Amino acid sequence: ETGVTQTPRHLVMGMTNKKSLKCEQHLGHNAMYWYKQSAKKPLELMFVYSLEERVENNSVPSRFSPECPNSSHLFLHLHTLQPEDSALYLCASSQGRFETQYFGPGTRLLVL
Amino acid sequence: AQTVTQSQPEMSVQEAETVTLSCTYDTSESDYYLFWYKQPPSRQMILVIRQEAYKQQNATENRFSVNFQKAAKSFSLKISDSQLGDAAMYFCAYRSNSGGSNYKLTFGKGTLLTVNP
Repeated sequence: ETGVTQTPRHLVMGMTNKKSLKCEQHLGHNAMYWYKQSAKKPLELMFVYSLEERVENNSVPSRFSPECPNSSHLFLHLHTLQPEDSALYLCASSQGRFETQYFGPGTRLLVL
Repeated sequence: AQTVTQSQPEMSVQEAETVTLSCTYDTSESDYYLFWYKQPPSRQMILVIRQEAYKQQNATENRFSVNFQKAAKSFSLKISDSQLGDAAMYFCAYRSNSGGSNYKLTFGKGTLLTVNP
């Protein structure tokens, strides 16, 4: 595997389900990000981890819970989501804050 | 807060011709980066080109070039000799190099580019 990978690529869940999104970067980077991409809206930064420590949390509801066990892996744990949470969730990584962010293919989430 | 505006929701171009995508941004900072990302349908977002605000010279990557007008806060992308594979959503993005939020990319809403054969 190369670059940034995300699993699953597609996910359908009910509002009472619990699921997790996984991101893995194979670039040796030390910062990882979660973004939300909704139709007709700009990408929104959700969380940033640098050296496995959360450095940004952009007022994201607590039903989204990130986890970064090491610098190569990032998870987004989901529980009791709402239909408006349906979106493409993108993971990205970079080598520090000043370097270019590289994106994964995203997880297309549908909440019923 | 910084904002990025892409005023063209959709653009089209004939294959082999040139197209320019517009982007304006609002910031009070002087040290920042600007980016153009490309997101093909159902494929991942990739970096097309980036420009550091302190550099006067416009960035160029093969058929892609930018027109960076710092005073006007404008950052347009020119695609020359357009190819079918250039069809995608193009996002303009801004990142501050000062202050606390250096990690955050602020994106525009995107421009959907269609390339006609």
